[in-house]
Amino acid sequence: NAGVTQTPKFQVLKTGQSMTLQCAQDMNHEYMSWYRQDPGMGLRLIHYSVGAGITDQGEVPNGYNVSRSTTEDFPLRLLSAAPSQTSVYFCASTNWGSNQPQHFGDGTRLSIL
Amino acid sequence: KNEVEQSPQNLTAQEGEFITINCSYSVGISALHWLQQHPGGGIVSLFMLSSGKKKHGRLIATINIQEKHSSLHITASHPRDSAVYICAVRWYSGGGADGLTFGKGTHLIIQP
Repeated sequence: NAGVTQTPKFQVLKTGQSMTLQCAQDMNHEYMSWYRQDPGMGLRLIHYSVGAGITDQGEVPNGYNVSRSTTEDFPLRLLSAAPSQTSVYFCASTNWGSNQPQHFGDGTRLSIL
Repeated sequence: KNEVEQSPQNLTAQEGEFITINCSYSVGISALHWLQQHPGGGIVSLFMLSSGKKKHGRLIATINIQEKHSSLHITASHPRDSAVYICAVRWYSGGGADGLTFGKGTHLIIQP
């Protein structure tokens, strides 16, 4: 019973590099989302998806792309990493319509040099 | 901008004390979440509530919709309760799926 799985757990990038943060859930949840957590601030929504083929922007979407080709997977892409994207990233999933608790992954700690 | 305010930001207490963490929000919500984050760890959902009160073990969460306020209580606190406690709300936006808005968290330390 894996829940929400994020990979990698840690990553160091150089400015301008690209990478994809992976997120997978095995609970058949329709709703998946990506948040970033920065010191002194609450978690902020980057992008979200209400089902396969449907994505939308959250509060801080600039510099990030997402896609949702399957119910299980919701990868987050950094096309050209910037130091401002140094953060801890969390993926979450839930059955949104039924107002259920969110399930979070363990997070990815990303440093951009 | 709709906001979520938590207090206190930091709280240090002795083992056994009764702990209260507060959360206030600015407009109507459809649900409020209390989450727990241990150092270096992931985030765990403790409660989700839209009215009244919920209890799980030594944890109690209450919400007052009219006053736009929620509290998380810990009875007989223990050092293992040391964590960051986060309040998050889903705004009542007529069915919009635009995620949760989070408070900045309360950093709780329980000393033996």
